[in-house]
Amino acid sequence: EDKVVQSPLSLVVHEGDTVTLNCSYEVTNFRSLLWYKQEKKAPTFLFMLTSSGIEKKSGRLSSILDKKELFSILNITATQTGDSAIYLCAVATVQGAQKLVFGQGTRLTINP
Amino acid sequence: DGGITQSPKYLFRKEGQNVTLSCEQNLNHDAMYWYRQDPGQGLRLIYYSQIVNDFQKGDIAEGYSVSREKKESFPLTVTSAQKNPTAFYLCASSTQTASYEQYFGPGTRLTVT
Repeated sequence: EDKVVQSPLSLVVHEGDTVTLNCSYEVTNFRSLLWYKQEKKAPTFLFMLTSSGIEKKSGRLSSILDKKELFSILNITATQTGDSAIYLCAVATVQGAQKLVFGQGTRLTINP
Repeated sequence: DGGITQSPKYLFRKEGQNVTLSCEQNLNHDAMYWYRQDPGQGLRLIYYSQIVNDFQKGDIAEGYSVSREKKESFPLTVTSAQKNPTAFYLCASSTQTASYEQYFGPGTRLTVT
C-alpha cells in the first residue's frame, strides 16, 4: 500500500524562526513529490520535485528531494505569521491514471 | 476567471439522507478528483475521473457515488450508506500531462447529525 508520512504533525514557533518540515514516502511507480499550503480551504501548490538533490526555491521557501532515502524536506526561513497553515506533502504515482497520495499534513503555527 | 467552484460551502443534513456536492471547473481539465479531509488524516481519495463518462474508485469509495456527464462537472453524492459522512470535501482537477499538479476548489464542509 502506498504511504506518505509527514512529521511533525504540529509545530509552533516564533516569528523569525526557521522551520523544517519532513515528508517520507513508500510508493510504487513514483513520479513526483508535491508540496501544498492549505491556509483556510483550498490547498495551493508550492513545489513539485522530480529529481534528487535539486533544490526548488521560492522566496523564503525551499524544498529538496532525496529519492535514495525516500524523503523530502520543506524549509521556511524568517517565518512570518502569514506562513501559518497546514502544509501537505503528496506523491504522484501513475498506475493507469495519475493519482496523488497525501500525507497527514503538518499544522504550522507562527506566533508573533 | 478560470478555476474550480464547489457549492455549497456548508451543508447540513440529517442522518439517512443522500446529499449531492457540486464541483465545476472551467480550466478545460480532463481529470477530476474528490477527496475527503478529516482532522489529522490529510486528504483521502474518494473517486476520480480521467475522461467524460468514465470514473474509478479511490481509496475510500464506499458510501459515495459520482457521475461525469460533462467535462466541466463532477458531482459527488454522499449516500446514507456512508458511515461517517461528516467531513470537509475537496474537489480537484488536473491536465493529463507530466505536470502532476492538481488544482483545488474551496471545499464543502458537510455535517450530518
